[in-house]
Amino acid sequence: DTEVTQTPKHLVMGMTNKKSLKCEQHMGHRAMYWYKQKAKKPPELMFVYSYEKLSINESVPSRFSPECPNSSLLNLHLHALQPEDSALYLCASSQDTGGFDEKLFFGSGTQLSVL
Amino acid sequence: AQKITQTQPGMFVQEKEAVTLDCTYDTSDQSYGLFWYKQPSSGEMIFLIYQGSYDEQNATEGRYSLNFQKARKSANLVISASQLGDSAMYFCAMRDTFSGGYNKLIFGAGTRLAVHP
Repeated sequence: DTEVTQTPKHLVMGMTNKKSLKCEQHMGHRAMYWYKQKAKKPPELMFVYSYEKLSINESVPSRFSPECPNSSLLNLHLHALQPEDSALYLCASSQDTGGFDEKLFFGSGTQLSVL
Repeated sequence: AQKITQTQPGMFVQEKEAVTLDCTYDTSDQSYGLFWYKQPSSGEMIFLIYQGSYDEQNATEGRYSLNFQKARKSANLVISASQLGDSAMYFCAMRDTFSGGYNKLIFGAGTRLAVHP
């Protein structure tokens, strides 16, 4: 069983909707990540939070707004998305030791469809 | 910046046989690590195995082992005694150390493995 929980598993939304993706981990990890994965492609990094502060934003459009309320929770707020934003959104966490051997633990993802 | 290359879009293997998934990488760092993740159709990325650049022995985790050839910059995943449940997408990955020291994990294009009964 994954120790990173993502909800919802599936989401269908219109281009004018506002929705949020949620991610939770209870492993005591201090770094959390959002990745976007298009079909048949590898995951691409969107955001990294380190100790609840945004440390990396990979030039993601402002219609995606991340939030880290505490070290266990990570949200991704969605507004005015485009059909090309349809993808699998993966959350991950890690200890944030800064070492090159640091392993990421992933959730099962949210499959998002924008109509 | 680091680069990961997986040249096999798809692989087929008969159940109970061994299969090797290729991964080559490019880095100028002396210290680095290679990861392999499995992604079944359910979507979750499952960590399989890790190899550090200074590890003297090839990593092994159950039926998974790494054929690590540092001079050739390759870190091939070997799955022994394939099972039907091994059918999935497999990604090779490593950290991008040009990201200001933060944990940016970069992935290869992936290899889709199909295990046939």
